[in-house]
Amino acid sequence: IVLTQSPATLSLSPGERATLSCRASESVSAYLAWYQQKPGQAPRLLIYDASNRATGIPARFSGSGSGTDFTLTINTLEPDDFALYYCQQRSFWPFTFGPGTKVDIK
Amino acid sequence: QVQLQESDPGLVKPLETLSLTCTVSGYSIRSGYYWGWIRQPPGKGLEWVGSIYHNGNIYDNPSLKSRVSLSVDTSRNRFSLRLSSVTVADTAVYYCVRCATSAGGWFDPWGQGTQVTVAS
Repeated sequence: IVLTQSPATLSLSPGERATLSCRASESVSAYLAWYQQKPGQAPRLLIYDASNRATGIPARFSGSGSGTDFTLTINTLEPDDFALYYCQQRSFWPFTFGPGTKVDIK
Repeated sequence: QVQLQESDPGLVKPLETLSLTCTVSGYSIRSGYYWGWIRQPPGKGLEWVGSIYHNGNIYDNPSLKSRVSLSVDTSRNRFSLRLSSVTVADTAVYYCVRCATSAGGWFDPWGQGTQVTVAS
């Protein structure tokens, strides 16, 4: 399964809303997760099963979608949210990640 | 809480075997879950390497062409990765993870990562 993320880079200001897209080459049902990675750090699970927030993740992060089209929305961007975001599917072996979307400060 | 810590092999020579161990604290491996490895070449994205269950059941990435060997040591609460015949393309940060739902994820938590460099 190939995951395509768009855009590659999203330039926004704090307080704005970020909308990130992940598209799968075949239906992965709802077996999709989103991870956040900051420079020099390990990724962190944000969303699993397309729309469930992981433990400790703020409510401004939300996920939606099923099948082949998924969205990660970050409402009211905070300075700590500027990072790299990856989607990942576990529906089909081998398990794959998208190439990432970088959210940077405009 | 569950914490994972990778060993630090540092520099590995081409064609040799890379060996990594992940020590788990705060949870007993024999209690369940798959445990896995993910790598990230410099400046690039994430690649799932493989996952192992405490009973030895394994899933690995076919892109690594059978060079991967996974094992688990429940007595020491750790699991290991061996990658044979390494090349410069295997240079990456290697993360160990707990697979929260199945062999394919979700990956949570992650170890801090260990840099592996393949060079002569």
